[in-house]
Amino acid sequence: AQSVAQPEDQVNVAEGNPLTVKCTYSVSGNPYLFWYVQYPNRGLQFLLKYITGDNLVKGSYGFEAEFNKSQTSFHLKKPSALVSDSALYFCAVRDRPSGTYKYIFGTGTRLKVLA
Amino acid sequence: NAGVTQTPKFRVLKTGQSMTLLCAQDMNHEYMYWYRQDPGMGLRLIHYSVGEGTTAKGEVPDGYNVSRLKKQNFLLGLESAAPSQTSVYFCASSSPLLGSSYEQYFGPGTRLTVT
Repeated sequence: AQSVAQPEDQVNVAEGNPLTVKCTYSVSGNPYLFWYVQYPNRGLQFLLKYITGDNLVKGSYGFEAEFNKSQTSFHLKKPSALVSDSALYFCAVRDRPSGTYKYIFGTGTRLKVLA
Repeated sequence: NAGVTQTPKFRVLKTGQSMTLLCAQDMNHEYMYWYRQDPGMGLRLIHYSVGEGTTAKGEVPDGYNVSRLKKQNFLLGLESAAPSQTSVYFCASSSPLLGSSYEQYFGPGTRLTVT
């Protein structure tokens, strides 16, 4: 069965420091991978995705993520954190088009950037 | 474009009452989804639809029904509300077309409390 794990409920980082939010996945084939961000009392907003190609993908607000097939990971990174990055982050996976149309979400990681 | 909209934004129900949540999207997306979000559990898929007139069960379908009579609308019904259905409900849509970006677009959510 497909699954997504976000091992950290919360990540604290000082403003200006690099941040990493971890995600590992388990799927039968080659996945589509996504990161979303949720600000308080809002819906989820798309940040970035890996479909194919370069393992390092860049997204909105200076975020990037590295796809590592051997470690089945898709960690979210940013070189310099901002207080405004504080939010709830979700990793999600979907099978290739020939598979299920469903997306599986991790349980979320709360990022707190300290001034 | 309004994207994905949801009505109502908030609702309080008594146990046993019924209600319908409406999701509308103006992006001509084929796929639509209903999720519930509970603390520490991430997003769980309730039902989804891969096209007008079709629906399918997700991870937690019990107690909910859906309909997709028009491509742009996806309705979620609670026939007899229970306190366990207190949650925040999100609708999402996506496109399966070759060359599309596959990410989901989310509505702002409906906060439902069942007393």
